Amino acid sequence: QSALTQPPSASGSPGQSVTISCTGTSSDVGAYNYVSWYQQHPGEAPKLMIYEVSKRPSGVPDRFSGSKSGNTASLTVSGLLAEDEADYYCSSYTVSSTYVFGTGTKVTVL
Amino acid sequence: QVQLLQSGAEVKKPGASVRISCTASGYSFTTYALHWVRQAPGQRLEWMGWINAASGNRQYSQKLQGRVSITGDTSASTAYMDLSSLRSEDTAVYYCARGGSGTMGDWGQGTLVSVSS
Repeated sequence: QSALTQPPSASGSPGQSVTISCTGTSSDVGAYNYVSWYQQHPGEAPKLMIYEVSKRPSGVPDRFSGSKSGNTASLTVSGLLAEDEADYYCSSYTVSSTYVFGTGTKVTVL
Repeated sequence: QVQLLQSGAEVKKPGASVRISCTASGYSFTTYALHWVRQAPGQRLEWMGWINAASGNRQYSQKLQGRVSITGDTSASTAYMDLSSLRSEDTAVYYCARGGSGTMGDWGQGTLVSVSS
């Protein structure tokens, strides 16, 4: 199972928006609405930000939103804050009843 | 609140095996799946496998099939991950995470496994 493809980096100024893509195949991202997004700060465990493509867990700001079209999912962070600077990973359930993570994107707040 | 408490750091020699535990609290252990995920230094997250805590059914990544085993002890609300034939590339932080709705909602603190001769 190959990793889902994400851009290595993305950046934006405070208050701006940044969108990260996550491209898979018809066997993972395109097969189910089980795409999640995780935020990871250095030295910390990942934190769930989005699940089932576009749902936010309790406590996650509505500045974070998710969507999907075909085999590509996206995470948008609006109104960027300094604290949003982190690594972001997507993940998807697959037709083999396994999971796969993305390659990761480092978001920099300029 | 949900807590996943993992066992401590391990140092192993190549060819050895390692067992990491993950003890759950704050929820019914058998209601959710338990995933194992690892992250080598400076690298991406890698999904290793999961166990249905109620049925004991397991699924592993193709890459680790044959070297990884995930088990659960419902009486202790604890899941275990065994990795055998360790090599230097297995040096990583290993996480357990509670599953549900196709995601991994709560994560353990991570366990560093170092493999070196």
